[in-house]
Amino acid sequence: GAVVSQHPSRVICKSGTSVKIECRSLDFQATTMFWYRQFPKQSLMLMATSNEGSKATYEQGVEKDKFLINHASLTLSTLTVTSAHPEDSSFYICSVSQGDHSGYTFGSGTRLTVV
Amino acid sequence: GEDVEQSLFLSVREGDSSVINCTYTDSSSTYLYWYKQEPGAGLQLLTYIFSNMDMKQDQRLTVLLNKKDKHLSLRIADTQTGDSAIYFCAESKTDIPTFGRGTSLIVHP
Repeated sequence: GAVVSQHPSRVICKSGTSVKIECRSLDFQATTMFWYRQFPKQSLMLMATSNEGSKATYEQGVEKDKFLINHASLTLSTLTVTSAHPEDSSFYICSVSQGDHSGYTFGSGTRLTVV
Repeated sequence: GEDVEQSLFLSVREGDSSVINCTYTDSSSTYLYWYKQEPGAGLQLLTYIFSNMDMKQDQRLTVLLNKKDKHLSLRIADTQTGDSAIYFCAESKTDIPTFGRGTSLIVHP
């Protein structure tokens, strides 16, 4: 499967600041990447589908102005959490699908803590 | 109810077999997956099964699918402490899977 690199792995930021998380597909040109959020003891929640060269598709209930997604190249998608609040503290994971139903390759995740 | 359900915890003794169960609601699911998540890490695809298969075996892992009952299981033979992790069941019929909440597998000596 694809090799996906995500960083940072951990970040602590102050309330009101913005944080950028990067997701790179190292060996596969990904026209589509996915961003998930994971709450403790809960499943992955799909936040948005990142489309190369066009706007991201957000799931219902996800604020697009708060979670900015940019997919400027076939190998890089970024998620920016703007004006972060403590309730944004979570584990964010990106993934790439090679489109052949062999599954998804996930990044290692980013633990965001907003203080 | 949720689309994909799993029990939250499973505790086994090292060397025993572990069986993690999953039920799903969408009968049109075409692919079913098992992912492993170690602490603080992303998800790793363990195995997947196409809906027209009943069983798939890969080394210590055996996946059983009962399509009639919409029940999927993952059996880990000779469970080791390194198998301690959260295991997610997922189903998909389009390009985007739906995940269960994950089963936390605890392996004790």
